[in-house]
Amino acid sequence: GQSLEQPSEVTAVEGAIVQINCTYQTSGFYGLSWYQQHDGGAPTFLSYNGLDGLEETGRFSSFLSRSDSYGYLLLQELQMKDSASYFCAVRDRSSGSARQLTFGSGTQLTVLP
Amino acid sequence: EAQVTQNPRYLITVTGKKLTVTCSQNMNHEYMSWYRQDPGLGLRQIYYSMNVEVTDKGDVPEGYKVSRKEKRNFPLILESPSPNQTSLYFCASSPGGGAYGYTFGSGTRLTVV
Repeated sequence: GQSLEQPSEVTAVEGAIVQINCTYQTSGFYGLSWYQQHDGGAPTFLSYNGLDGLEETGRFSSFLSRSDSYGYLLLQELQMKDSASYFCAVRDRSSGSARQLTFGSGTQLTVLP
Repeated sequence: EAQVTQNPRYLITVTGKKLTVTCSQNMNHEYMSWYRQDPGLGLRQIYYSMNVEVTDKGDVPEGYKVSRKEKRNFPLILESPSPNQTSLYFCASSPGGGAYGYTFGSGTRLTVV
């Protein structure tokens, strides 16, 4: 089976940088994704890492180390609107068929003024 | 507008009364998936589909059925709902998973009394 671990809560101030870590255990690993979800809303796709290294999309960056089964989401120049839950998710293969996304429990980010 | 449409948004029902939550996407995506979200547990996959007539169980399939007779539709059926199926449900679609990410519907909040 799969398991993902990420911190349950993170707090930071506006303008700061915050890193949300994710460690995973899975078989047939394909890639690590990150999603953002505001209260009561639908998750929205932020980034995907299929290979080791850093992917940058504006203020958000995501990193993957497959040898360490570890990744992180880096949010820079934090804004109040970044207050939300952030989920890491692995795409893996099991039982001979392509499985889809398995999500972590989420990290609640609170940005303070 | 490219979107995933779920209906209804809110539903209160009684134990044992069969119900269907509809999901439709207008992006010609091959992959579709159902998730349930409960506090502290993140998003757990119920069923997924890689194409028409191809479906497979996710992590929590018990008590649910799905069908994929057309590419755009992926209804979730609860034959005999029970209170432990009270949850927030999301349908999602993707052209191929991974780097493409999933587009989520707005969610269906189901209460079974």
